[in-house]
Amino acid sequence: DTAVSQTPKYLVTQMGNDKSIKCEQNLGHDTMYWYKQDSKKFLKIMFSYNNKELIINETVPNRFSPKSPDKAHLNLHINSLELGDSAVYFCASSQVRRDRKAFFGQGTRLTVV
Amino acid sequence: QKEVEQDPGPLSVPEGAIVSLNCTYSNSAFQYFMWYRQYSRKGPELLMYTYSSGNKEDGRFTAQVDKSSKYISLFIRDSQPSDSATYLCAMSYGGATNKLIFGTGTLLAVQP
Repeated sequence: DTAVSQTPKYLVTQMGNDKSIKCEQNLGHDTMYWYKQDSKKFLKIMFSYNNKELIINETVPNRFSPKSPDKAHLNLHINSLELGDSAVYFCASSQVRRDRKAFFGQGTRLTVV
Repeated sequence: QKEVEQDPGPLSVPEGAIVSLNCTYSNSAFQYFMWYRQYSRKGPELLMYTYSSGNKEDGRFTAQVDKSSKYISLFIRDSQPSDSATYLCAMSYGGATNKLIFGTGTLLAVQP
């Protein structure tokens, strides 16, 4: 059973397109995140949702819009894709009230051409 | 200055060696400290988790936190080629948000 799963695993698209990445967790966690990993492997938080409520938005361009339909799902929609958006995007989840352990998905490698 | 500093390596050691990986940080408000292992083209995998100062051991892995020096370490004993990966330290202030601040990662290669 995959704890945190995201789709697609790879995404190649042209500049200007709009794309979505989906994430689901079956851990029963109350908090979900999107992280971005750049070409130098640096991981940085983008968004965090707790019980479907946005609680962190880390100075991300408003072309990026997260949506959480329920506690187990967190999607990321990106409008007007730019070359600089090329990166690996990771979804993660944690049960904040219990501990601070975050569990990550396998990542979506986005390439904008 | 970054909040969390980590030597990017690469670090190459022979099989069986003891590996020491370190991170320093600037904000004394960090309370939760983690080490993640990331294989190439995979997601980060939680390896060790520590709250506040002290040591924690799990098999061949030992995590140490020294809050007075703002310094954390991960030791790997009897290193194996399967330990070859990028090791990321991560820290959190706690509170409702649980934002993790990551180091840049250290690339480790264990040579057979």
